[in-house]
Parts: sequence; structure tokens; C-alpha cells
Amino acid sequence: GAGVSQSPSNKVTEKGKDVELRCDPISGHTALYWYRQRLGQGLEFLIYFQGNSAPDKSGLPSDRFSAERTGESVSTLTIQRTQQEDSAVYLCASSLVAGATYEQYFGPGTRLTVT
Amino acid sequence: GQQVMQIPQYQHVQEGEDFTTYCNSSTTLSNIQWYKQRPGGHPVFLIQLVKSGEVKKQKRLTFQFGEAKKNSSLHITATQTTDVGTYFCAGDAGGTSYGKLTFGQGTILTVHP
Repeated sequence: GAGVSQSPSNKVTEKGKDVELRCDPISGHTALYWYRQRLGQGLEFLIYFQGNSAPDKSGLPSDRFSAERTGESVSTLTIQRTQQEDSAVYLCASSLVAGATYEQYFGPGTRLTVT
Repeated sequence: GQQVMQIPQYQHVQEGEDFTTYCNSSTTLSNIQWYKQRPGGHPVFLIQLVKSGEVKKQKRLTFQFGEAKKNSSLHITATQTTDVGTYFCAGDAGGTSYGKLTFGQGTILTVHP
């Protein structure tokens, strides 16, 4: 079946502009996660949506970052007034959080470059 | 907050040598997961461990979960060039954010043929 998809795959933007990144999770997956991965680094948690619960926004690095999710489907991550340090790969993952097993399925990521 | 530390950060081995990466959590985990990220790719789920002292094997890979459920290890026997990549552990401390994982920084494995 279809996996997690993300768009665009690459985004180059000028410093100060706003960007929107999109994530289409696997159908039926209740949980959706956004991570940031700088070159050669680990996964930095940004935000977590689970069903109808309030999202866990504890990883958002500043108020320039925000995310929304429509029901249990598409999510968008918005970065306002982009800065060069925002350059990274933004990964989205989804999972079916039910019971004790809930592996995360990752999308291919959006590579953001801020010039 | 919860912290998950992984060591070593880098490991270079000759093909055929063994490899181990270790994961330690500052808090007790309800479960731990392992992921592999190939160069240029995205993380892919390998396995989940839930029980204290659990050991699971996948061909040349052996995964262990500590008795206290605060540490874990991944051991690869007789590495191959296809094992190259970054190995991440990810722990769930439970609590209010059920299903939320905290990832370690990863161990980058290089295998020399």
C-alpha cells in the first residue's frame, strides 16, 4: 500500500520567507510526528498529533514554527520568517498507536535550504 | 525531560567484524524501538522490545532490552557492506504522550570491504 508521502521533496527559500511543508500519512494511522534532521545529526522531535488529543508541541524550537493536522489525515508544518539555521531535512512519520506496538513509518522528507 | 543517549557516535569496522551500539535512557521505558537509516534515506523500523530482559534476533542482528528497561543494545555479527547506515534507538517513557518516542542521536556505522 501507499506509504507516507511528503511534499515538496526539496525547497529552496530566501531568508525571511514563509514555507509550508506537507505530509500525507498512511491511511488509518492515528498518530503523526514531525522531526527535523540536520546534516549528519539525529532526529529532533518537533510535534506529535495523536487522534483527537491536543498536539504535543514541546519540540517546536520557536514560535516561528507551527503545525496543523486535519482530522487523521494531512498535516502541514509552517515555518515563518525562515532563518538559515532552519535548513535541514524535515521528516514526517505516522503510526497506528494501538496497544503496545506502534512502529513509525517515515516519509522521504523535505530538504529545506534557506539562502 | 526524558533523554536517550547512544554510544558510540561513530563506528568504523572491517567487513566481517562485529558491531555493537548502546542506548541508555534517563528514565524507565515502556518499550524501545530500533531504526536504521541508510545514507540519503529515511529511518526504517527494525524492531520493538517491550519486556524486561528481552532478547530478539533478526538474522545477524541481536537486540537486547535491559532488566531495568533503561538500556538497550544492538549487536551485528560479521558485518557486511549492506549494514552501512545510522542506527537509532527510540524510547517511549509512557506518561501523557502515549506513543511519543524520544530518539537517540544515532550511531553511524561504516563498513570497509
